[in-house]
Amino acid sequence: QKEVEQNSGPLSVPEGAIASLNCTYSDRGSQSFFWYRQYSGKSPELIMSIYSNGDKEDGRFTAQLNKASQYVSLLIRDSQPSDSATYLCASLSYNTDKLIFGTGTRLQVFP
Amino acid sequence: EAGVAQSPRYKIIEKRQSVAFWCNPISGHATLYWYQQILGQGPKLLIQFQNNGVVDDSQLPKDRFSAERLKGVDSTLKIQPAKLEDSAVYLCASSLSGGGYEQYFGPGTRLTVT
Repeated sequence: QKEVEQNSGPLSVPEGAIASLNCTYSDRGSQSFFWYRQYSGKSPELIMSIYSNGDKEDGRFTAQLNKASQYVSLLIRDSQPSDSATYLCASLSYNTDKLIFGTGTRLQVFP
Repeated sequence: EAGVAQSPRYKIIEKRQSVAFWCNPISGHATLYWYQQILGQGPKLLIQFQNNGVVDDSQLPKDRFSAERLKGVDSTLKIQPAKLEDSAVYLCASSLSGGGYEQYFGPGTRLTVT
């Protein structure tokens, strides 16, 4: 069983729509969660971190965490073509202090 | 604030040759990480340093990979001898400390082993 699971996509949304990216994790000891954006040929760029249940908003991005369901999501409002990238979900285990990444979801925003 | 620096950006070598990568973390960041990212996969941790001590190297293939972080700042990752399956992007990241602190990545080194 993969420790962090994401749908590989591609997820295609029209410009201006809300893109919803989902992630599940298996380690109940995970305490911190991160979303990274990775453009093709580039390195991962941190866009959101979330540590407690509920929603966290930053500009057009909202991260949602539900520890009971072991579920993390990222919402991108008013999606732009420049948001087209692979989005990596990562969880940090309190026990191992190791950041575990999913395989990423490729998002395509079309004009 | 300057980000994580890495060099070289690209490297092509033949199998059985050796290669070394260099990383300079964000100033003041005590924790440094080396990750391997194979195409289509998420980054996989190879080794984690806290200052100049190794915290976790459980996924480092120690028969061919080695890493050091002298003086608790810069770090080098070496592969000797390289295999075809080592072709990947090698990413260096740093954080203020371990635990829940956010990790920031450098631009990476794309290694091709032929």
